Amino acid sequence: SSELTQDPAVSVALGQTVRITCQGDSLRNYYASWYQQKPGQAPVLVIYGENNRPSGIPDRFSGSNSGITASLTISGAQAEDEAVYYCNSRHSTVKHVVFGGGTKLTVL
Amino acid sequence: EVQLLESGGDLVQPGGSLRLSCEASGFTFSRFAMSWVRQAPGKGLEWVSAISAPGGSTYYADSVKGRFTISRDNSKNTLYLQMNSLRVEDTAVYHCAREGLVVPAAVYFDYWGQGTLVTVSS
Repeated sequence: SSELTQDPAVSVALGQTVRITCQGDSLRNYYASWYQQKPGQAPVLVIYGENNRPSGIPDRFSGSNSGITASLTISGAQAEDEAVYYCNSRHSTVKHVVFGGGTKLTVL
Repeated sequence: EVQLLESGGDLVQPGGSLRLSCEASGFTFSRFAMSWVRQAPGKGLEWVSAISAPGGSTYYADSVKGRFTISRDNSKNTLYLQMNSLRVEDTAVYHCAREGLVVPAAVYFDYWGQGTLVTVSS
């Protein structure tokens, strides 16, 4: 089982705002990073660190962290945002890296 | 353009061995830590192993410790994963991923390869 917990599925109406959350003890000390994965494709980094977007990622993607919860917010979700989203952070004790179980986002 | 190209995936029997390779291009390979991340069919991402930029430090998930060995050849811009004593539950697509440059209190993978499929079955 993952040591970062994500809701398995979330849906959002086209153009509306959605927040995807990630919870875990390691988030007290480390920021979460977020990845988007579409079927048959490799994951793509969308948010890293405190709230940084790699080049080419639309500014409708943003991240935040509070206590043991990290959030990925998509403001004005588009059809192309439908994907599985994973969070990750550095493990708080033994492991190097840990991933959340993933959240499947459906855009209605 | 950064590219990561994995190879070496195959069908192997339980208890067998396999060596994966990841050829990097488009960046100074020796400056970046690298990881292997796997994804079982229909499942989520699982970090497997990491290696520091010079190669002197390695890290493993508990599920593979003692069976897998990560290494790199910076002169050949290539990352490796030696997989021994393979189990059915090791069946997955194995991605190599570049660890992004240091950001305080964060670890992230900014480039990923498409992956190579390892199937462990009798």
